[in-house]
Amino acid sequence: QSALTQPASVSGSPGQSITISCTGTSSDVGGFDSVSWYQQHPGKAPKLIIYDVSNRPSGVSNRFSGSKSDNTASLTISGLQAEDEADYYCNSYRLSSTFPYVFGTGTTVTVL
Amino acid sequence: EVQLVQSGIEVKKPGESLKISCKGSGYRFATYWIGWVRQMPGTGLEWMAISKSTNSDTRYSPSFQGQVTISVDRSITTAFLQWSSLKASDSAMYYCVLAVDGTTRWDWWGQGTLVTVSS
Repeated sequence: QSALTQPASVSGSPGQSITISCTGTSSDVGGFDSVSWYQQHPGKAPKLIIYDVSNRPSGVSNRFSGSKSDNTASLTISGLQAEDEADYYCNSYRLSSTFPYVFGTGTTVTVL
Repeated sequence: EVQLVQSGIEVKKPGESLKISCKGSGYRFATYWIGWVRQMPGTGLEWMAISKSTNSDTRYSPSFQGQVTISVDRSITTAFLQWSSLKASDSAMYYCVLAVDGTTRWDWWGQGTLVTVSS
């Protein structure tokens, strides 16, 4: 079960926008609108920030947005802030006879 | 408020058995899924297994099939993850997660249980 592919790191200056990609296949990202994104600060549990490709849970900043095109989902952080420095993981439902979910490889966001 | 509270830090020797827990509170979902996620030091998140609250529908990621056992005691809203014989490579942080049945959003996460296996 191979993980979804994310860039290892992305960086940006405060106020800028950055985008993190999450590439899978037609059996996962491309086949379902079931991509979610999680933010993890060092030493903390992950937190859901986007679900079903582009929806934000209550309380999550509208600076976070999600989209999808073909087999690639994307997370965009606009107006980058120091508190956005964290690891980000995508997760997708997957058509599989064994296990129905797969995480991305994870991306470290650095605010310069 | 939904909360998942996990059991504390564990330090074990190779070959020992272990059972860690995840106690849920604050929810009244008729049906939900509980999952376990592993995070080895300095690495990413890995799905281990998920289990449905209402029946025996349990699925294991191929990497963990036969290596661990998960269970859910609905009467005490507690999920368990257990090993019969630990290895040093089982040293990691383990998170329990919860999703409402019919969704694919894992809204709620436990605080994590750190397991260290060393001779």
